[in-house]
Amino acid sequence: GEDVEQSLFLSVREGDSSVINCTYTDSSSTYLYWYKQEPGAGLQLLTYIFSNMDMKQDQRLTVLLNKKDKHLSLRIADTQTGDSAIYFCAETENTGGFKTIFGAGTRLFVKA
Amino acid sequence: DAGVTQSPTHLIKTRGQQVTLRCSPKSGHDTVSWYQQALGQGPQFIFQYYEEEERQRGNFPDRFSGHQFPNYSSELNVNALLLGDSALYLCASSWGDRLMNTEAFFGQGTRLTVV
Repeated sequence: GEDVEQSLFLSVREGDSSVINCTYTDSSSTYLYWYKQEPGAGLQLLTYIFSNMDMKQDQRLTVLLNKKDKHLSLRIADTQTGDSAIYFCAETENTGGFKTIFGAGTRLFVKA
Repeated sequence: DAGVTQSPTHLIKTRGQQVTLRCSPKSGHDTVSWYQQALGQGPQFIFQYYEEEERQRGNFPDRFSGHQFPNYSSELNVNALLLGDSALYLCASSWGDRLMNTEAFFGQGTRLTVV
C-alpha cells in the first residue's frame, strides 16, 4: 500500500540551510508536495513537483526528487525563525483517484 | 475571498454521539476533500466530493459519511463517536475534475474532542 515516511525532528540555526527528507512507496505517484503547518493552523502548500522532474527551485525552497530511490527532499536556504513549523511530505496517486497521502510530518526547530 | 471556511472551530462530544462538521470551499472551487489529523500525525484522507457525489474514499468505516450541496459546500458526519475519533478534521477545496490537487487550499480545521 501507499506509505510516506519522514524523520520526526530537525533542528537548525538561523541562517543555516535546512534539509527535510521523505521517502514514499507508491511508484505510480504523479505529484509530490511539501506542506507547512504552523501551530493551530491548517496546511499551507509550499511547493510541488511532477514525478518526471528531478528538481524544482522556488525562491528559498529547492525540491529534489530521486524517483529511482523514491526519495524527496526539501531544502530551505537561509532558514529563519519564522520557518519553525511542521513540514509534511505528500503524494497523489496516479490510479485514477484523487487521494493524497501524507507523511507524519517533520517538526523543524530554528534556533536564533 | 474568505478562502476555505470550516465550522465549528472546536467541538466536544460524548462517546456514542453523532457530529456534523461543515466546510465552505474557496470561491470558484467545486471539489471538497476531508482529512482526519490525529495529534502528532499527518492528515489521513477520508473522502472527496465532486458534483455532489463521493468520488473516492479512504480507509474509514461507514460511520464516516458526507454530503456535498449544490453550492459546493460540504458536511462530514460521524456517527457513534469513539474516543479515537478525537482529531483535527481538515477540509480542502480544489477545482474541477483534476488528477492532482496543486490548487488545493486547506481550511483551519475543526478540533473534535470525544470524551
